[in-house]
Amino acid sequence: EIVLTQSPATLSLSPGERATLSCRASRSLSSYLAWYQQKPGQAPRLLINDASNRATGIPARFSGSGSGTDFTLTISSLEPEDFAVYYCQQRSNWPITFGQGTRLEMK
Amino acid sequence: QVQLVQSGAEVKKPGASVKVSCKASGYPFTSYYLHWVRQAPGQGLEWMGIINPSAGTTNYAQKFQGRVTMTRDTSTSTVYMEVSSLRSEDTAVYYCARPLRPAITPDAFDIWGQGTMVTVSS
Repeated sequence: EIVLTQSPATLSLSPGERATLSCRASRSLSSYLAWYQQKPGQAPRLLINDASNRATGIPARFSGSGSGTDFTLTISSLEPEDFAVYYCQQRSNWPITFGQGTRLEMK
Repeated sequence: QVQLVQSGAEVKKPGASVKVSCKASGYPFTSYYLHWVRQAPGQGLEWMGIINPSAGTTNYAQKFQGRVTMTRDTSTSTVYMEVSSLRSEDTAVYYCARPLRPAITPDAFDIWGQGTMVTVSS
């Protein structure tokens, strides 16, 4: 199965700063990578699909890039509601797999 | 609106079985596959398997084969996921999730149920 490795495990930033989260795959995914945001007690929320396409209703400060094995989620200017855990997920091959998550915490 | 509504929390003893339901509404039930994903306390997301509500066919992650059964009832637009021989490591929130696109599999998930907490404890 494809292993997704997210870094860093925890990212401490302040509102207004730029966040850069990484997801690396054990083999090429083409562009078949999604990003999710999860807050405590809630289901994950789809942010980005196919590496760079924002899901419906997702603010423009969220952007995704990358292809092959290296992907990035960027939040251009952090809002207080953006502090959460972020997961990547690949749909290139069965089984579907997720990264272990990056916790974005307020400094 | 499109939504998935799951059954309530369960507490089970080791060795028992649990069956969680997921009722779909707001879209044609048989047009989209449905998946199950679980999350142990404080841990990440783990994909368990997929069911085709139209044909009833399933595909399970290797880890769960032989212990998980997914079924559907088209008359009530509901899918079910049963886990047998429960152990403490199965304590988790179980989610059903709908893919973003009906004709694409596998896909990202844009609609999630609210989650069902299953606790396995003696």
